[in-house]
Amino acid sequence: GAVVSQHPSWVICKSGTSVKIECRSLDFQATTMFWYRQFPKQSLMLMATSNEGSKATYEQGVEKDKFLINHASLTLSTLTVTSAHPEDSSFYICSARVGNNSPLHFGNGTRLTVT
Amino acid sequence: DAKTTQPTSMDCAEGRAANLPCNHSTISGNEYVYWYRQIHSQGPQYIIHGLKNNETNEMASLIITEDRKSSTLILPHATLRDTAVYYCIVRVNAGGTSYGKLTFGQGTILTVHP
Repeated sequence: GAVVSQHPSWVICKSGTSVKIECRSLDFQATTMFWYRQFPKQSLMLMATSNEGSKATYEQGVEKDKFLINHASLTLSTLTVTSAHPEDSSFYICSARVGNNSPLHFGNGTRLTVT
Repeated sequence: DAKTTQPTSMDCAEGRAANLPCNHSTISGNEYVYWYRQIHSQGPQYIIHGLKNNETNEMASLIITEDRKSSTLILPHATLRDTAVYYCIVRVNAGGTSYGKLTFGQGTILTVHP
């Protein structure tokens, strides 16, 4: 089946630094990928839609200058958390679909801890 | 996308069938019912989806009522590894401003016990 890979699986960084998370579709091309965030004991919240070759679409309340998304190829989207603060500590998950009528497949997530 | 209502938690004995209900009374004619599950500290895993006919795959069966206002996910022989949060989501499959997005509710915490 379709495989979505995220890297790193966990990262610890100091407050004020930036962190990049990669999301790759391993065996298919994805023109659209989605980035979610999940706080402890809460459900997944969609942050943004990443479109290959164009600007990402952000959900209301998500700062586009803080969460930079780049989707430069059909198999790679990156999320950069800029000037991270402890409140950005969360579980970040990406997803992608194989085709128009296919279900979304999710990566295994990245646990970000900002100290 | 239509909202869904699921019980907060359910228990099931290992080896027995787990039947997880979902209400989606405001579902539109072009919205599919999707089921995902999330095991602790992992990304969600796709289970099954359907429009109006019942569906079955190697993981589970999906029973959708004739009026499409509710559905049931059935894990025929639950194992301890099926302990997870199960999400029922309704979504259009193509077109519209919400195309491709999945909106997650709180889901059902299924605990399978020995």
